[in-house]
Amino acid sequence: DAGITQSPRHKVTETGTPVTLRCHQTENHRYMYWYRQDPGHGLRLIHYSYGVKDTDKGEVSDGYSVSRSKTEDFLLTLESATSSQTSVYFCAISLGQNQPQHFGDGTRLSIL
Amino acid sequence: AQRVTQPEKLLSVFKGAPVELKCNYSYSGSPELFWYVQYSRQRLQLLLRHISRESIKGFTADLNKGETSFHLKKPFAQEEDSAMYYCALSDSWGKLQFGAGTQVVVTP
Repeated sequence: DAGITQSPRHKVTETGTPVTLRCHQTENHRYMYWYRQDPGHGLRLIHYSYGVKDTDKGEVSDGYSVSRSKTEDFLLTLESATSSQTSVYFCAISLGQNQPQHFGDGTRLSIL
Repeated sequence: AQRVTQPEKLLSVFKGAPVELKCNYSYSGSPELFWYVQYSRQRLQLLLRHISRESIKGFTADLNKGETSFHLKKPFAQEEDSAMYYCALSDSWGKLQFGAGTQVVVTP
């Protein structure tokens, strides 16, 4: 398995609280991605990064922000969590734009 | 706009029977297509990539540009093939668009 660690693995929190999910990689891959997985929707891209401090929005970026201050870490922040953000969040990494993506184990987030 | 459609939410097959998972796409450029698989309690992993044209775990997939399809096939399903399968399309920036997924259940 690719060296990708997501933390926390599970989190339950209340509406309106801030939440930060962390993705850490040991592969020195340039590209990193955050997806959410919901039944009937598959995985949808939230944000991605193509280098340190270089990020861009994906398909479902509203309500989320990201930061990448170093190659190995990509943080996803929900500034004020809502119940619609209850989901499983996956981080992925890749060497290049059209190279296969390698996924982490996911974070199960519940917003009550 | 690009789109990936997997029409079957659930596919139930008997062990030893052929299995085919359908994937149709819409994309204005030259598509880069993948199949990913997620076994129970495991991370999502790459199964096939259309440009490599290789067979993994007995699965094959052929890109049909005329029908805009990338169906996944295996001639003889095994119980260990039970999993969730996702078809995905990569755009020119490397961003993946996933289908909704097909749950495959192989019964003995």
